[in-house]
Amino acid sequence: ETGVTQSPTHLIKTRGQQVTLRCSSQSGHNTVSWYQQALGQGPQFIFQYYREEENGRGNFPPRFSGLQFPNYSSELNVNALELDDSALYLCASSPLGSGGAGELFFGEGSRLTVL
Amino acid sequence: AQSVTQLDSQVPVFEEAPVELRCNYSSSVSVYLFWYVQYPNQGLQLLLKYLSGSTLVKGINGFEAEFNKSQTSFHLRKPSVHISDTAEYFCAVSYNQGGKLIFGQGTELSVKP
Repeated sequence: ETGVTQSPTHLIKTRGQQVTLRCSSQSGHNTVSWYQQALGQGPQFIFQYYREEENGRGNFPPRFSGLQFPNYSSELNVNALELDDSALYLCASSPLGSGGAGELFFGEGSRLTVL
Repeated sequence: AQSVTQLDSQVPVFEEAPVELRCNYSSSVSVYLFWYVQYPNQGLQLLLKYLSGSTLVKGINGFEAEFNKSQTSFHLRKPSVHISDTAEYFCAVSYNQGGKLIFGQGTELSVKP
């Protein structure tokens, strides 16, 4: 069973640029969530995708957007990067709607540095 | 607003000593509760979860937690820690299965020889 994989693992961007982060969900999981973890903080919910539709969103501006594909993989896009966007971005998958036990399975994250 | 408070940002402890990491949450409705561990430069790994039933929950690596509804707490305990338990621990709450998690700020457990 393949776990959640994220790419790239590290990247550096400058203010104003755009970034795309990718996530492959665990086999059999149809739901993907994205979290932002700033240094020294707990993860904060960005949004969740279920069957290619956004299924809940946290307190993040519209320049944070996402996609989910038919194979349940997902992308997180961030436009007009700001210094405060520097963080570890975590993707998590879960089998929502299949009677799963509520557990999210996390990838190792993509560390974004904005200069 | 729903929130999770981890009462200790850092907990230093000697190897083989017991440890308790404290977590309180604010909610007037039923919740699901989780503890995750994060080792350096890694993602989050589930230690244990409370969905319903027995209030004492056992997890991996010898950890356990007790759900206390009246005190809205979900403290994590281990009777004897190892050096390898050194990591960041996060308490989290969810209001529906598979839904968004609200995390606490984390507790850094540092186990010294």
